[in-house]
Amino acid sequence: AQKVTQAQTEISVVEKEDVTLDCVYETRDTTYYLFWYKQPPSGELVFLIRRNSFDEQNEISGRYSWNFQKSTSSFNFTITASQVVDSAVYFCALSEARGGSEKLVFGKGTKLTVNP
Amino acid sequence: DSGVTQTPKHLITATGQRVTLRCSPRSGDLSVYWYQQSLDQGLQFLIQYYNGEERAKGNILERFSAQQFPDLHSELNLSSLELGDSALYFCASSVVGTSGYNEQFFGPGTRLTVL
Repeated sequence: AQKVTQAQTEISVVEKEDVTLDCVYETRDTTYYLFWYKQPPSGELVFLIRRNSFDEQNEISGRYSWNFQKSTSSFNFTITASQVVDSAVYFCALSEARGGSEKLVFGKGTKLTVNP
Repeated sequence: DSGVTQTPKHLITATGQRVTLRCSPRSGDLSVYWYQQSLDQGLQFLIQYYNGEERAKGNILERFSAQQFPDLHSELNLSSLELGDSALYFCASSVVGTSGYNEQFFGPGTRLTVL
């Protein structure tokens, strides 16, 4: 069965600190996709990144970076020089894309608060 | 703006009642997904429709049902509502789930409050 675990329920940092959000996943499939979504206080879900299981190359996009390691089934997300606007709940998600269904399995989320 | 619309934005109703949530996918998207976000269960997949037919089912209660119409909009019907059904209901759409991966675009959600 698919499972996503985000062990950090809440994190609080001061602006300009770097912060890493952890994500560990479980799946029996060899082909799968991993995601990060952001949910700001306004409530909408904002897509941040998708990685497929065959691409372990880490990625950097501005202040955001992602570390995908199949050996440890982890897909961690780092925000460098955090800003108050980064305050949100961040969700890690997994999709096995079976039978034409790309349903997402979400972790419980990590609430990030960036204080000025 | 993802291009996915959901109505209504907010819904307040009483226990035992029935409500219908509506979703219009992005133009050209054939798949519609419904997710429920509640405090105790988190974000959960409920059901997926593809071009009018049910494609996948998650932890959807028997009191809930959905359908996708010929114009591809979808409705989620919730009946015999209970307090625990209070949640944020998201709709997402994607093009086709046949090869590779097709991005899901999420609507703004419908917040349901059952009193």
